[in-house]
Amino acid sequence: GQNIDQPTEMTATEGAIVQINCTYQTSGFNGLFWYQQHAGEAPTFLSYNVLDGLEEKGRFSSFLSRSKGYSYLLLKELQMKDSASYLCAAMDSNYQLIWGAGTKLIIKP
Amino acid sequence: DAMVIQNPRYQVTQFGKPVTLSCSQTLNHNVMYWYQQKSSQAPKLLFHYYDKDFNNEADTPDNFQSRRPNTSFCFLDIRSPGLGDAAMYLCATSRVRGGGEKLFFGSGTQLSVL
Repeated sequence: GQNIDQPTEMTATEGAIVQINCTYQTSGFNGLFWYQQHAGEAPTFLSYNVLDGLEEKGRFSSFLSRSKGYSYLLLKELQMKDSASYLCAAMDSNYQLIWGAGTKLIIKP
Repeated sequence: DAMVIQNPRYQVTQFGKPVTLSCSQTLNHNVMYWYQQKSSQAPKLLFHYYDKDFNNEADTPDNFQSRRPNTSFCFLDIRSPGLGDAAMYLCATSRVRGGGEKLFFGSGTQLSVL
């Protein structure tokens, strides 16, 4: 079956760095997405990786290893507004998105 | 500047009373999606349209129906809402259905069933 695993909840301190991991199993692979979702709001796109390696975009970076079925989202210089859920989603060979349940990130002052 | 618009933001209905949620888009995207998301769970795809081509997910209950009268508008009809249908309903669009195509979400409709 197709599956996404990511931690349910993580806590970090303002100004610090946090890494949110995601492992996936899909029938074929057409890339890995990360979305941010604040409580009670819709998801917003953060990043897309289809090739192995690190993609950096400001304070956020995303990494992919296709051979390991593994990705992570790295958030630097954490701010209180980064408190949100982070959803990992892998696209299978039929261009269907397989979503994780999200990692709730709590930022403490 | 709103690109994917969902109305209403909050909807309260009674058990068994039909309800319709609406979505419109100004992006001229070919693909529109309806997702159901319950608290702390992954979004669950209910339907998607590629232009006028309707695709119903295999495990979407018959209680849920959808219409897309034109490129800009899409509706989700819940014929007889049950308590288990209380959730956030998310409309999303993408330019096409393919690798790398990100989804643009509306603000969602939070449905409560009394």
